[in-house]
Amino acid sequence: GESVGLHLPTLSVQEGDNSIINCAYSNSASDYFIWYKQESGKGPQFIIDIRSNMDKRQGQRVTVLLNKTVKHLSLQIAATQPGDSAVYFCAENKGTGNQFYFGTGTSLTVIP
Amino acid sequence: EAQVTQNPRYLITVTGKKLTVTCSQNMNHEYMSWYRQDPGLGLRQIYYSMNVEVTDKGDVPEGYKVSRKEKRNFPLILESPSPNQTSLYFCASSPMGGPNYGYTFGSGTRLTVV
Repeated sequence: GESVGLHLPTLSVQEGDNSIINCAYSNSASDYFIWYKQESGKGPQFIIDIRSNMDKRQGQRVTVLLNKTVKHLSLQIAATQPGDSAVYFCAENKGTGNQFYFGTGTSLTVIP
Repeated sequence: EAQVTQNPRYLITVTGKKLTVTCSQNMNHEYMSWYRQDPGLGLRQIYYSMNVEVTDKGDVPEGYKVSRKEKRNFPLILESPSPNQTSLYFCASSPMGGPNYGYTFGSGTRLTVV
C-alpha cells in the first residue's frame, strides 16, 4: 500500500505486505529529516533519520528514501505487522538546526 | 530508564485560571521543546530552549510562557488559558546540538479549557 502524505492521510495494508508512506517537504534548505511513529495515547517515537547528503538509509524493516530534486521523502516498511499501526510523521529542520517542522501525519492501519 | 516525564497527563480547567504543565528529563539533554498537537495541523512548536536560561519562541508562542532554570526541567505556563488552547501537548528533549540528533518525547498532556 502507498500514501501521498498530506493528500491521503490514511493508509490500510494487509499484514505481511510492504507499506510506503510519502511526505512532500517544503524547504530546499532542509538538510535533516526524521520519521516518527506515534501510537495511540503515546508521544512520537524516533524511527529513522536521513541527512541531505544521502538518498537512502535502511534500518530494521524500514527504509527511508530522499529525493531532493522533487523535495520528497518516503518511508518503506517491509512485511508490515499489526504493531506497525500508528500515525507516521515526517519532520524537516528547514536548515535551521534549532527547530523541527512536522507534517500532519499519515495514519497506517494494518489489517490482520 | 531514559525518559521525558510530563505532568499531569490530563487536565480540565476553566478559562483564565493559571496553570503549569511540568516537564522533566533524566538524560542530561541541553535542548528541550514544547509542542501542541491539533487534528489536521500536526505538531507545532510553542517554545524551545537550547540550554539553561536560554529560551526562544517557536511557531505558536502566543498565550504561553516557559522557563529553564535547571537543565532537567522545562515547565509550560499558561497565565490565562483560553478554550483555543485546548490541545494535546508534548514536551521533547534532545542532546547538545538540538533536534538534529533526534527528539525523545514525553507521553503528552491532554488539556481542556472550558
